[in-house]
Amino acid sequence: EVQLVESGGGLVQPGGSLRLSCAASGFTFSTYSINWVRQAPGKGLEWISYISSSSRTIYYADSVKGRFTISRDNAKNSLYLQMNSLRAEDTAVYYCARDAIPKAFVWFDPWGQGTLVTVSS
Amino acid sequence: EIVLTQSPGTLSLSPGERATLSCRASQSVRSSTLAWYQQKPGQAPRLLIYGASSRATGIPDRFSGSGSGTDFTLTISRLEPEDFAVYYCQQYGFSPRAFGQGTKVEIK
Repeated sequence: EVQLVESGGGLVQPGGSLRLSCAASGFTFSTYSINWVRQAPGKGLEWISYISSSSRTIYYADSVKGRFTISRDNAKNSLYLQMNSLRAEDTAVYYCARDAIPKAFVWFDPWGQGTLVTVSS
Repeated sequence: EIVLTQSPGTLSLSPGERATLSCRASQSVRSSTLAWYQQKPGQAPRLLIYGASSRATGIPDRFSGSGSGTDFTLTISRLEPEDFAVYYCQQYGFSPRAFGQGTKVEIK
C-alpha cells in the first residue's frame, strides 16, 4: 500500500523552530517529487513547497520563502520540512502529498494524514 | 500565478439531489490540467478527478468532471450521505499549483 506518514508537529512558541518528517512506503520514493501542503484551522488548502525526486528543483510559496527549508533523504524514504522563525499564522495541519506520476508536474496523490503545528505563546 | 475561484461557497442539498460545483481560473488552464479533491472533517484530501474529467481509481461514477480553458465543473449526480464534504479544485499546469478556496456541500 502506498503510504505517507507525517510526524514532528506540536506546540512551538513564536520565533521558534520545528522539523517535520514524512515517511514514505509502498512505492519507489526516489522517483517521485513530493510537496508540503498546509491547512490553517477552518481554512482551505495552501501549497507551500515542492522538491523534485533528485532534490535538484525546489520551490516555495512566498508565505514561507526564507523561513522554511524542504529536503529529502531518498536512502531513508523520507521528506523533511525545517520550519524556522515560526509565526502564529503558520498554525496549520501540514500534509505531505506526492506527485501522482514520476517526472511530471501533475496532481497530488496520495496524501499523508497530516501533522498539526500550533504556534502560540 | 493562476487564481482559482470556486462557487458557491456552500451548497445545501438533500441526499439524492444533484450537486454542481464550479471552479473558475483567472487565466486559461493548460491542457485541462485541473484536479478535484474531496475532504471530510479530520481527514486528508482525497483525489477525485484529474485531467478535468478522469476519475481517480475507486471513485464512483456519480462523480464527473468537465470543462476546459477557464471554467470547470464537478458534478455529483445523486448525493449519497458520504458525499457531504468540502471539495477543492487545483490547477497543475503552472507553478504554483494552487487550490481554489473550496465548496462545502452540506445536508439541507
